[in-house]
Amino acid sequence: NAGVTQTPKFQVLKTGQSMTLQCAQDMNHNSMYWYRQDPGMGLRLIYYSASEGTTDKGEVPNGYNVSRLNKREFSLRLESAAPSQTSVYFCASREAGTAAATQYFGPGTRLLVL
Amino acid sequence: DAKTTQPNSMESNEEEPVHLPCNHSTISGTDYIHWYRQLPSQGPEYVIHGLTSNVNNRMASLAIAEDRKSSTLILHRATLRDAAVYYCILRASNTDKLIFGTGTRLQVFP
Repeated sequence: NAGVTQTPKFQVLKTGQSMTLQCAQDMNHNSMYWYRQDPGMGLRLIYYSASEGTTDKGEVPNGYNVSRLNKREFSLRLESAAPSQTSVYFCASREAGTAAATQYFGPGTRLLVL
Repeated sequence: DAKTTQPNSMESNEEEPVHLPCNHSTISGTDYIHWYRQLPSQGPEYVIHGLTSNVNNRMASLAIAEDRKSSTLILHRATLRDAAVYYCILRASNTDKLIFGTGTRLQVFP
C-alpha cells in the first residue's frame, strides 16, 4: 500500500496563477483532509471531507476550493494564488467511525507563490 | 474545540527517558487524547492515543491523569530519530476534525 500520496512535491507559482494539488489514498478511508503548515507553525485545517460527496470548511478555508472526486481522491484548488498561500500543504485520510481512529498523512506539497 | 497546552521545546540526551506534558483542562468526557509527531520535512505520524486508562505501544506510553485534565507522553529511551515536534490533540467523538496546536519541539543530544 502506498498510503497517502500527493502531487506535485514542489511548485512555484506567480501571484494570480491557479493550480490544483492532488491527493489520493489507497486505504479505503472515508474521511480526507487538507492542512497547511507555515514555517515554524503547527498544521491548520483548510477543508475536510467526511465521506464521498461531502466537504466542510476547516479553520482557514478562504482562497481555496476542494473536490472529493471519489472515495480515493481529494483535490485542493487555488484559483488565484497569493504570496500568503506560500506554505507546505499536507493531505490526510482516516477511517471514519470513532474518535479513536488514526489519521494518516501524505509527504506534503511545498508551494512558493512569488 | 477543546484546547491543549504544551511547552514550546524540550531537550533530552540519547537513551534517557523523556516525559512530554500536555494540559487539557477543558477536556470533555468523550474526547480522545491523541499524540502525533512530525519529523523534519515529513508529514505528521501517529504515536498513540487514549481515553481514560494509560496506554502502551511499541513507540511510547501515554499516562493520563485521573481527572483527565493532563497527560504525559513517555518515550522510554530517546534516540536521535525521536527528535521531532510532538503534538497533543483532543478529538471529540462528534466531530471529524483533528485540530493541531503548535506542539513541543524535542531535541535529542548524543
